[in-house]
Amino acid sequence: EDQVTQSPEALRLQEGESSSLNCSYTVSGLRGLFWYRQDPGKGPEFLFTLYSAGEEKEKERLKATLTKKESFLHITAPKPEDSATYLCAVPTDSWGKFQFGAGTQVVVTP
Amino acid sequence: GAVVSQHPSRVICKSGTSVKIECRSLDFQATTMFWYRQFPKKSLMLMATSNEGSKATYEQGVEKDKFLINHASLTLSTLTVTSAHPEDSSFYICSASGTGIGYTFGSGTRLTVV
Repeated sequence: EDQVTQSPEALRLQEGESSSLNCSYTVSGLRGLFWYRQDPGKGPEFLFTLYSAGEEKEKERLKATLTKKESFLHITAPKPEDSATYLCAVPTDSWGKFQFGAGTQVVVTP
Repeated sequence: GAVVSQHPSRVICKSGTSVKIECRSLDFQATTMFWYRQFPKKSLMLMATSNEGSKATYEQGVEKDKFLINHASLTLSTLTVTSAHPEDSSFYICSASGTGIGYTFGSGTRLTVV
């Protein structure tokens, strides 16, 4: 059964304090690993898709990396506006159906 | 970029009534739409997949008679929660995809049944 596990559940950071979020997955035949940002009361906002081990993508203070079993979302020198829940997801056996992790809630304080 | 509009953003209804949630793709044709449900501090759970003009495919454990999904056009899908009860209170999110378009999510609907 496809599974996606995110850790930690919550992360509290001081502004400028870099950290990493983890997404471990078990899926038969990876069709991509997706990272989303979700603000309270909003739908997920697309950040990155990674397709193969060793791939890296960056956007502002965020960098996503992928290995054969897990993905990391690195937040470098975060700002309060980076506070959100970060979700990772993988497509399951039918393209377009996603298995989501429970998310990591990040709070960045000034 | 691709935009998906979801309405209403919040709705409160009385137990036993029905509520309709709309999901519209504003600038692309959504051949497939997905409906998710999200409980507080929990993951998004896929409820059903709908292709334009076809019956929706429901995930195991989702009551198709309670959660009616219609995808009558390439830009509109609706989710109707029939005879809503307090346990149906949740955050409902749609997602749409089309040819050459990734998976774009709506902004979600917070349903509260009192």
